[in-house]
Amino acid sequence: EVQLQQSGAELGKPGTSVKLSCKVSGYNIRNTYMHWVNQRPGKGLEWIGRIDPANGNTIYAEKFKSKATLTADTSSNTAYMQLSQLKSDDTAIYFCAMRAAISHWFAYWGQGTLVTVSS
Amino acid sequence: DIQMTQSPASLSASLGETVTIECRASEDIYSNLAWYQQKPGNSPQLLIYDANSLADGVPSRFSGSGSGTQYSLKINSLQSEDVASYFCQQYNNYPYTFGAGTKLELK
Repeated sequence: EVQLQQSGAELGKPGTSVKLSCKVSGYNIRNTYMHWVNQRPGKGLEWIGRIDPANGNTIYAEKFKSKATLTADTSSNTAYMQLSQLKSDDTAIYFCAMRAAISHWFAYWGQGTLVTVSS
Repeated sequence: DIQMTQSPASLSASLGETVTIECRASEDIYSNLAWYQQKPGNSPQLLIYDANSLADGVPSRFSGSGSGTQYSLKINSLQSEDVASYFCQQYNNYPYTFGAGTKLELK
């Protein structure tokens, strides 16, 4: 069974950074892309970017190019997202999501990590 | 970027009723569209992929259709467990984009 286990809630001060993790079990992340999506309170879903863990190649949505940094550690089968220069509107739930095989849709999702930005 | 316009934003329906949610893309996405269901406090779950293919374990009362720029999700015989928000997503081009969502409630 494929499972994506995300790290716990984060409280960050404005101007600081946080690093979220997403550990995958039941599937080798070398064989997929790892995506990140956010959801601001009471709002819809927003795609942040994706990483190919096999080679580290990344693609970001334009608005997140200077906000998010995606990395992956294939030895631990874990994907990471660092959010920098936190502002109040970065407060959101952040999901990791994964395609299956060579598909493009998100068959698997993590449970989400709540990031709260507050001084 | 491809804009996904989803309607309605909210919907109230009775048990057993059939409901339809629409999604319009700003350009042809060649059926590269998925539908997700999200219940409060949970992560989204895949319902439909490639516009009309039912994901594993999804009840057959859910169906998807459409092509080009116009797509729809239909729920036949609405059940209480279908109360949720629904999102469409295009994966034809990066950046992947989602519709704003439809909140489905029971009347």
